[in-house]
Amino acid sequence: QVELVQSGAEVKEPGASVRVSCKASGYIFTTYGISWVRQAPGQGLEWMGWISTYNGNTDYAQMFQDRVTLTTDTSTSTAFMELRSLTADDSAVYFCARFAYSYGFFFDYWGHGTLVTVSS
Amino acid sequence: DIQMTQSPSTLSASVGDRVTITCRASQTIISWLAWYQQKPGKAPKLLIHQASSLESGVPSRFSGSGSGTEFTLTISSLQPDDFATYYCQQYNTSPLTFGGGTKVEIK
Repeated sequence: QVELVQSGAEVKEPGASVRVSCKASGYIFTTYGISWVRQAPGQGLEWMGWISTYNGNTDYAQMFQDRVTLTTDTSTSTAFMELRSLTADDSAVYFCARFAYSYGFFFDYWGHGTLVTVSS
Repeated sequence: DIQMTQSPSTLSASVGDRVTITCRASQTIISWLAWYQQKPGKAPKLLIHQASSLESGVPSRFSGSGSGTEFTLTISSLQPDDFATYYCQQYNTSPLTFGGGTKVEIK
């Protein structure tokens, strides 16, 4: 069965960076892309970007363009999201989600989410 | 960016009710629209893609319709498990954008 297992909760100080991992299993990693979506407490869903697990191509939302980097390690079927220069506004649950290249950028499987808290 | 506007933001309904949620795009997205269900503390779950294609395993009481800029999600007979928040998402154009959500509450 398809699973996306994310790394555990993080607490960071303002100005720091965070790296969240997303380990995929149950399918061939390079045949689906990975996107990242975040959700602030009590708020809606916000798309951050996606990465092709096949060739490493990326697309980032403008508001994260300068602070986020998406990468993958195909040897371990793991995707990573690094967010830099954290502020309190970055406190949120971060989800990874899978999409099929041939069907479009909707997400059929999601990770369980990683809570990132930014606080001094 | 394409803005996605959902209405209503909150909906009170009873088990057995027919429920309709609307999603409006600020410009045409053809049929590149998905619907998700999210319960508290959980990841979203895909219900429908390409506006009307029911995801495998999703009960047939869920249906989607629309094209262009106006879309609807209908639950034909609300069940206890359906009380949740629903989001639409367009994937016609980058950046991908979500609607603000519709919370379906028990009346």
